[in-house]
Amino acid sequence: GDSVTQMEGPVTLSEEAFLTINCTYTATGYPSLFWYVQYPGEGLQLLLKATKADDKGSNKGFEATYRKETTSFHLEKGSVQVSDSAVYFCALLRRNSGYALNFGKGTSLLVTP
Amino acid sequence: DAGITQSPRHKVTETGTPVTLRCHQTENHRYMYWYRQDPGHGLRLIHYSYGVKDTDKGEVSDGYSVSRSKTEDFLLTLESATSSQTSVYFCAISDYSGGASGELFFGEGSRLTVL
Repeated sequence: GDSVTQMEGPVTLSEEAFLTINCTYTATGYPSLFWYVQYPGEGLQLLLKATKADDKGSNKGFEATYRKETTSFHLEKGSVQVSDSAVYFCALLRRNSGYALNFGKGTSLLVTP
Repeated sequence: DAGITQSPRHKVTETGTPVTLRCHQTENHRYMYWYRQDPGHGLRLIHYSYGVKDTDKGEVSDGYSVSRSKTEDFLLTLESATSSQTSVYFCAISDYSGGASGELFFGEGSRLTVL
């Protein structure tokens, strides 16, 4: 079935470092792709999305490009802040199961001053 | 923020007891979902609903049942709780209609501990 695989964490970076979190997908067709973020003790929030191949999603300095050639949707940020410390989830939209999302296992990011 | 309320937010119970978690939405969204979050597993779909009294199973539905008697409420029931059901449970809603991206909006979660 459709699925996403994202890099294992935890990832520890110094403030202002460049961030990449890898995500690849396996799917029939080209499903919408998402990055969600979860801050400690909270629910998941949508960070960005892309609905078709070659689309770029962006928000709060984060970017991800939907690349069908490499079946990837890697999350990047040029300069991370301490406040970016959170768990990041890659997800894809399922066409069955009531349009639920399939999530990766999550990548924990810790940014140190 | 999407109007989603989960209750209770925290519960400790004993093995073998029934537990019901409630999800209430004020957005009138058609689709509602229950996920569980466990370390090393991410979020996994338990059950979902695509309308009043219309529900179906996700990939980890064993030991769980759901009901949706009103658009705004989606109940998750553990008939006889086990320690393996200790988890954080998230409700989510969506108004997907083909033309939209399919974004899900999440509640704040319910932490369940089964002793």
